[in-house]
Amino acid sequence: DQQVKQNSPSLSVQEGRISILNCDYTNSMFDYFLWYKKYPAEGPTFLISISSIKDKNEDGRFTVFLNKSAKHLSLHIVPSQPGDSAVYFCAADTGGYQKVTFGIGTKLQVIP
Amino acid sequence: SQTIHQWPATLVQPVGSPLSLECTVEGTSNPNLYWYRQAAGRGLQLLFYSVGIGQISSEVPQNLSASRPQDRQFILSSKKLLLSDSGFYLCAWRDRGYGYTFGSGTRLTVV
Repeated sequence: DQQVKQNSPSLSVQEGRISILNCDYTNSMFDYFLWYKKYPAEGPTFLISISSIKDKNEDGRFTVFLNKSAKHLSLHIVPSQPGDSAVYFCAADTGGYQKVTFGIGTKLQVIP
Repeated sequence: SQTIHQWPATLVQPVGSPLSLECTVEGTSNPNLYWYRQAAGRGLQLLFYSVGIGQISSEVPQNLSASRPQDRQFILSSKKLLLSDSGFYLCAWRDRGYGYTFGSGTRLTVV
């Protein structure tokens, strides 16, 4: 049972345009959500997070939106740059324990 | 600042051989430590976690084991590798504000 779902395995976007990566979750106990970025042969790095008490968090070119009623979150990258090409993992945390549940990732390609 | 070291970066091992991957953390005490595996098309799968010395919890049944002999050391082992053990192994520690900080990973190829 996959509690965090990233249904798009890949996404291609032109440089300068918006990239939108989507994530759905099923566990209503999740109260903290994170996005990680991963380059090949490297460990994932933290990108941005959002608490369940918020519906938006912004950090530079990156914005995460949370729709709790739909159990859906999305990551917006504006404008997209070639260096953003990577695999993006959505993750969710119940907070009570220390374990974070990851989606399977979406591979973003930003075309120059 | 906290750092996490993981080695080796790449490893090619024959089927049936043993495995030992090591992870150490600096700049923090009593960290929660994790071993993840990224297999093709499978995302990040939690294998083991540890909340303290000698305390290991396994998330999925498998051919691997983990140990935590010291506060900031986490080891992933196998007595006999299988082809299906191939993957990208990641060690991580928990920073509650930012989820995990990951090591640089070990690419294991079992041949």
